[in-house]
Amino acid sequence: DADVTQTPRNRITKTGKRIMLECSQTKGHDRMYWYRQDPGLGLRLIYYSFDVKDINKGEISDGYSVSRQAQAKFSLSLESAIPNQTALYFCATSDSLPGLAVNEQFFGPGTRLTVL
Amino acid sequence: DQQVKQNSPSLSVQEGRISILNCDYTNSMFDYFLWYKKYPAEGPTFLISISSIKDKNEDGRFTVFLNKSAKHLSLHIVPSQPGDSAVYFCAASGGSNYKLTFGKGTLLTVNP
Repeated sequence: DADVTQTPRNRITKTGKRIMLECSQTKGHDRMYWYRQDPGLGLRLIYYSFDVKDINKGEISDGYSVSRQAQAKFSLSLESAIPNQTALYFCATSDSLPGLAVNEQFFGPGTRLTVL
Repeated sequence: DQQVKQNSPSLSVQEGRISILNCDYTNSMFDYFLWYKKYPAEGPTFLISISSIKDKNEDGRFTVFLNKSAKHLSLHIVPSQPGDSAVYFCAASGGSNYKLTFGKGTLLTVNP
């Protein structure tokens, strides 16, 4: 079984709809992240959480919200989807133990979201 | 302000030859650098990393070189194989929050 799973894998929705993307992990990591990938723009950080009670905005958080329901679950919501939120969305996790390994993030397979 | 730059959107090489992917950074606080590989319809996977206290790290066919004075790192793949065809992302972190900043990626195509 995959260590980091994302649901759904693909979603098509309409402008103005509320959408939730879910991420679960079995790696036992404290830290979780949401990124979006757009063609030619690489990966950009939306939100990140270093533990269940810690939520932080990334570089492009406008229009998004998150919920850390448990150590293993981190969901991303688009309250009112708009077409320019059409992108690939990735969830990632990392360890929190001291040392260089804390820098290494492990990614889920991604969710392809299309907003019409 | 793009702190991690991969100036080549694509690179094409012949099987068996060397692939060299380049990455430049501007933030002097970055002290750990990573390369990720991404196939279509999959998430990025960690490939190799290097700490700023080193100038080279090798793992099989993959070697990363770091030139701190030039704020430049490169990934060498020798010999290149068709299965190496993917998008390669350079990433950097620094300071106490361990967030990663990614470059835009380079699409490597290895031709048989």
